[in-house]
Amino acid sequence: AQSVTQLDSQVPVFEEAPVELRCNYSSSVSVYLFWYVQYPNQGLQLLLKYLSGSTLVKGINGFEAEFNKSQTSFHLRKPSVHISDTAEYFCAVSDPYNFNKFYFGSGTKLNVKP
Amino acid sequence: DSGVTQTPKHLITATGQRVTLRCSPRSGDLSVYWYQQSLDQGLQFLIQYYNGEERAKGNILERFSAQQFPDLHSELNLSSLELGDSALYFCASSAQGAGYGYTFGSGTRLTVV
Repeated sequence: AQSVTQLDSQVPVFEEAPVELRCNYSSSVSVYLFWYVQYPNQGLQLLLKYLSGSTLVKGINGFEAEFNKSQTSFHLRKPSVHISDTAEYFCAVSDPYNFNKFYFGSGTKLNVKP
Repeated sequence: DSGVTQTPKHLITATGQRVTLRCSPRSGDLSVYWYQQSLDQGLQFLIQYYNGEERAKGNILERFSAQQFPDLHSELNLSSLELGDSALYFCASSAQGAGYGYTFGSGTRLTVV
């Protein structure tokens, strides 16, 4: 099974500051990579995904992520966060033998302070 | 509204009981996935159905079962419930093919007392 590691369980940041949420995965073969966001009492929403091609992927709400094959990482970034970005963020990796089966990281709670 | 409908939103039941969670996928999506989200285990893949057939199984207990019906809605049956089964159960659907990602429902919060 895939292993997905989100190194930070919680990230506090002030409004308008930049943020990076880290994600590392364990796979030596090609996989698909995703970031999802979960607001309180809601389901997960897709932020962005990497399938192939350019290693810098842009998503919704100003988020972007960079795929680094050599470091098996897919870190999520936003140059300037807003209070409304306060949520939990999950990194997900597809199973290399079943691309529609995902493994999720344990989540990072982003807390944006005024 | 994501297009994936889960009912009920909340469920409180006693240990030893059986419950059924229902999911209607987004229009046009043939695949349905069930996930369990708990504080200690995080998001765990339970099972995948594609057009009525089971496609993949994850960490699903033998006390749990699921099916997908001809109209593509899916049900997750949980029996002989234990306190540890208390969790959020999510259903997700996806379009055919790889790499589309999931569309999640808002979940069913199950509390076993």
